[in-house]
Amino acid sequence: GAVVSQHPSWVICKSGTSVKIECRSLDFQATTMFWYRQFPKQSLMLMATSNEGSKATYEQGVEKDKFLINHASLTLSTLTVTSAHPEDSSFYICSALPGQLNEKLFFGSGTQLSVL
Amino acid sequence: SQKIEQNSEALNIQEGKTATLTCNYTNYSPAYLQWYRQDPGRGPVFLLLIRENEKEKRKERLKVTFDTTLKQSLFHITASQPADSATYLCALYNFNKFYFGSGTKLNVKP
Repeated sequence: GAVVSQHPSWVICKSGTSVKIECRSLDFQATTMFWYRQFPKQSLMLMATSNEGSKATYEQGVEKDKFLINHASLTLSTLTVTSAHPEDSSFYICSALPGQLNEKLFFGSGTQLSVL
Repeated sequence: SQKIEQNSEALNIQEGKTATLTCNYTNYSPAYLQWYRQDPGRGPVFLLLIRENEKEKRKERLKVTFDTTLKQSLFHITASQPADSATYLCALYNFNKFYFGSGTKLNVKP
């Protein structure tokens, strides 16, 4: 099956620093990737849709200048949390949709971000 | 507003019994609905997809039903095992995006 690799698995940073999270599709090309955020015992909240070669589409209430998304190739999307603050601490998960007709989402293993 | 509701309380059942999880939604007209399994600290894993014109879908010990009139999907695990213990999420595909319920935690006791 399709494999999505997400790094790092966890990161601890100081308030005010920026953190980059990488999401790679290892054995398929992902025209679309989605970034989600999840708080403990809560739902996956869709943050943005990332399409290769174009600007990401952000969900209402998600600051695009705060959460920078780059989808420079068909196998790599990155999420950068800029000037992180403690309220940005959360579990971030990427997912990829292989091709246009594939209806299954393949998820990365997630990144636990803790901002001190 | 659009909502996807799953029972937030954990479901505790005995090994060998059938687990039934519910997903209700409002203000969506999804082309299809999916179920995922999520283990602690991990990303969700796809289990089953059912389309709007399908009433039931089966895969091994798993069964999903989809009632677009009631706006409800039921997810069944028969002959449950302790290894089935996890959080199960339903997801709707709408306007090129996937929206998830909050999940129901299933505990299967030996």
